[in-house]
Amino acid sequence: AQKVTQAQTEISVVEKEDVTLDCVYETRDTTYYLFWYKQPPSGELVFLIRRNSFDEQNEISGRYSWNFQKSTSSFNFTITASQVVDSAVYFCALSGYNNNDMRFGAGTRLTVKP
Amino acid sequence: KAGVTQTPRYLIKTRGQQVTLSCSPISGHRSVSWYQQTPGQGLQFLFEYFSETQRNKGNFPGRFSGRQFSNSRSEMNVSTLELGDSALYLCASSFNAENTGELFFGEGSRLTVL
Repeated sequence: AQKVTQAQTEISVVEKEDVTLDCVYETRDTTYYLFWYKQPPSGELVFLIRRNSFDEQNEISGRYSWNFQKSTSSFNFTITASQVVDSAVYFCALSGYNNNDMRFGAGTRLTVKP
Repeated sequence: KAGVTQTPRYLIKTRGQQVTLSCSPISGHRSVSWYQQTPGQGLQFLFEYFSETQRNKGNFPGRFSGRQFSNSRSEMNVSTLELGDSALYLCASSFNAENTGELFFGEGSRLTVL
């Protein structure tokens, strides 16, 4: 069975603080994809990153960075120097290698205060 | 390039009625997936269609059904509505059925069942 756990329900930070969103997953598959999506108040889920199970390299994109550790089944997301526009619900998700049946975590609501 | 379009955006129904939601994927995308989002259950996979065929189905009762047309547009139908069906229904499209790329989500159809 596949499962994604985002233990942090809500996080509140002040602008310019760094914040890390945790994601732990469970799967019996040897090949899989991990994702992060952002959901602003408009409701539309916005793709942030995809990582396949063979690639454990960390990735940085501007103020965003991702730490994939297969040994601990974690795929954490860090926002550096947070901004008010980062306020949203962030979802971590897991899918098999050849289908679009994605399992989402419960989401973490991030509030960045000015 | 137009994004994923879902109609209607908001609708209100009463228990026992049925509802049809529509999704127009990004031009050229052949895979359409549907998700239900509720505060209690989070984001849950409903089904996925590729080339007019249902490829995957989530754990929902038979009252939830869908189809895909030759132009890749998709509809989902919920019959004999229950209060618990109140949710945001999200449609996502991707170029092909293999999960080699990210899903592009629409803004959703918010269904309220009274």
